[in-house]
Amino acid sequence: KNEVEQSPQNLTAQEGEFITINCSYSVGISALHWLQQHPGGGIVSLFMLSSGKKKHGRLIATINIQEKHSSLHITASHPRDSAVYICAVKVPTGNQFYFGTGTSLTVIP
Amino acid sequence: NAGVMQNPRHLVRRRGQEARLRCSPMKGHSHVYWYRQLPEEGLKFMVYLQKENIIDESGMPKERFSAEFPKEGPSILRIQQVVRGDSAAYFCASSPPVGTNYGYTFGSGTRLTVV
Repeated sequence: KNEVEQSPQNLTAQEGEFITINCSYSVGISALHWLQQHPGGGIVSLFMLSSGKKKHGRLIATINIQEKHSSLHITASHPRDSAVYICAVKVPTGNQFYFGTGTSLTVIP
Repeated sequence: NAGVMQNPRHLVRRRGQEARLRCSPMKGHSHVYWYRQLPEEGLKFMVYLQKENIIDESGMPKERFSAEFPKEGPSILRIQQVVRGDSAAYFCASSPPVGTNYGYTFGSGTRLTVV
């Protein structure tokens, strides 16, 4: 059983579409990160959330602590958004993260 | 201000050889974490180190794997007598001292292929 579950596992969208990726977790957390990984590439941290909502450009991340759920939204999607998006939660004790298996997004021109 | 630097980016080893993966944390970061990403799987925690100390190695395989973070120089993840199943991407992350949620930064990873 994974502490972090993401959905969908794979997502294909047309350029310009609004995209939502979901993350549910089963442990108490002190923070949640959304990460981006391009094929064969490194990992980039997009957001760190402990409550509420954050926006950066076309990306929006929200978290509901009571429901143990977070969403990553991409507005006006573009082919360069094609990547794997990973949800990671940090537990209050210790210093490690638990990771979802990622959502593979493909945006078609 | 360089980020977390990992090298090499790609490493090919024959079965039975040793693999050494290096990670230089961001300037000012004193905590290093190693993660492994097996093909088609998510990232898994391996080990958490501070300078000259292993804090948590609960994710490290019991044999053949070791990690260090010396007073001077990068953190090293060492895999002895590699096997095909060790083929994976190994990511390093660094962070400022405990108590902050900010500044957690990943490196670009080392892709190890065992042939």
